[in-house]
Amino acid sequence: DIQMTQSPSSLSASVGDRVTITCRASQSISRYLNWYQQKPGKAPDLLIYSASSLQSGVPSKFSGSGFGTDFTLTISGLQPEDFATYFCQQSYSSPFTFGPGTKVDIK
Amino acid sequence: QVQLVQSGAEVKKPGASVKVSCKASGYTFIRYTVHWMRQAPGQRLEWMGWINGASGITKYSQEFQDRVTFTRDTSANTASMELRSLKSEDTAIYYCARDVSTPESYGSWFDPWGQGTLVTVSS
Repeated sequence: DIQMTQSPSSLSASVGDRVTITCRASQSISRYLNWYQQKPGKAPDLLIYSASSLQSGVPSKFSGSGFGTDFTLTISGLQPEDFATYFCQQSYSSPFTFGPGTKVDIK
Repeated sequence: QVQLVQSGAEVKKPGASVKVSCKASGYTFIRYTVHWMRQAPGQRLEWMGWINGASGITKYSQEFQDRVTFTRDTSANTASMELRSLKSEDTAIYYCARDVSTPESYGSWFDPWGQGTLVTVSS
């Protein structure tokens, strides 16, 4: 199975900050990488698919990049509604696997 | 709007089975594949497999291959997941999600997700 790791596991940031979250796969997954946001007690929401494509309706402050094994999610101009947990998911090969998540909270 | 609404919370004893349903609305059910995931307390999401809305063809993660069955009822726009021989480690929130990837694109991605169904396994 492909193992997904994320760093950091948590971070504290202020409103208006730019934050970057990293996701790493244990082997090359091309661009088969997606990002989700999850708030407490809620289901995940899709943000980015295929490493860098913005899901319809998602604000452009979210962006993704990467290829192969290393990927990043960047949030520009952090707003109160962005404080949540973010996790990555690979769909290069079955079983599809998820990262452990990065919790973004208010400094 | 596109929505997946799951059945309510369940409490089961070890060794029992549970069936979780996922009712779709706002889109043509048979045009999409539905995936199932679960999230145990404090753990990362775990993918369980998928069912094709049109054909009913399924693919299961090896982790659950022997204990899980996905079905769908196209007349009711509903997908279901049955997990058997429950253990305490199966206590988790179970999610369904629609696969919105296209044949020309890379991989599978999920939108929307159901609201989740808490399954508690306890003696």
